[in-house]
Amino acid sequence: EMQLVQSGAEVKKPGESLKISCQGSGYSFTNHWVGWVRQMPGKGLEWVAIIWLANSNTKYSPSWQGQVTISADKSINTAYLQWSSLKASDTAMYYCASTMDGNFFWDYWGQGTLVSVSS
Amino acid sequence: QSALTQPASVSGSLGQSITISCTGTSSDVGGYNFVSWYQQHPGKAPKFIIYDVSYRPSGVSDRFSGSKSGNTASLTISGLQAEDEADYYCSSYTRSGATYVFGTGTKVTVL
Repeated sequence: EMQLVQSGAEVKKPGESLKISCQGSGYSFTNHWVGWVRQMPGKGLEWVAIIWLANSNTKYSPSWQGQVTISADKSINTAYLQWSSLKASDTAMYYCASTMDGNFFWDYWGQGTLVSVSS
Repeated sequence: QSALTQPASVSGSLGQSITISCTGTSSDVGGYNFVSWYQQHPGKAPKFIIYDVSYRPSGVSDRFSGSKSGNTASLTISGLQAEDEADYYCSSYTRSGATYVFGTGTKVTVL
């Protein structure tokens, strides 16, 4: 069974760094795109960035460029989202999703990683 | 890059049909047939229910259907059931950044 498994909830302080992960199991990610989606408490979904696992080609939604870094390690079927300096406003649920190259919809979703940033 | 516009809420009685609109621009919804729809129940991850405007993935009820006209896509739920009560989001590929954009989301209430 194909699934995406995300790393566990994180509690951080403003200014700290963080890297969360999303690992695919049951299939090879190599020809897949993986995307990260933010959902702030009680709010809607927002695309953050996407990455093609085959060659780590990345694309960021315009307002996210420079705010986070998306990366991947195809040898372990894993994508990452990282922050160098967290802000309280980064508090949200972050979902990863995947799709095969050539598709334009997101058919597999992770369970979500809750990131809480507070002093 | 602005979010696609959806009504905040739509309601209907059991068995009725409802339609949710998703309005974008020629750079996203109107420019590509790459609109997809996602259903999200409280506390759960999104689940995709429509892709490429009007195609249903296997396992999704045929009560869900999609369409598009110009810059506006639509999701219709027919024969409304209690389990359809959820938040619904459209998403489109967008020329801006060659990435994706979500709609603002619609809360569906079954009366």
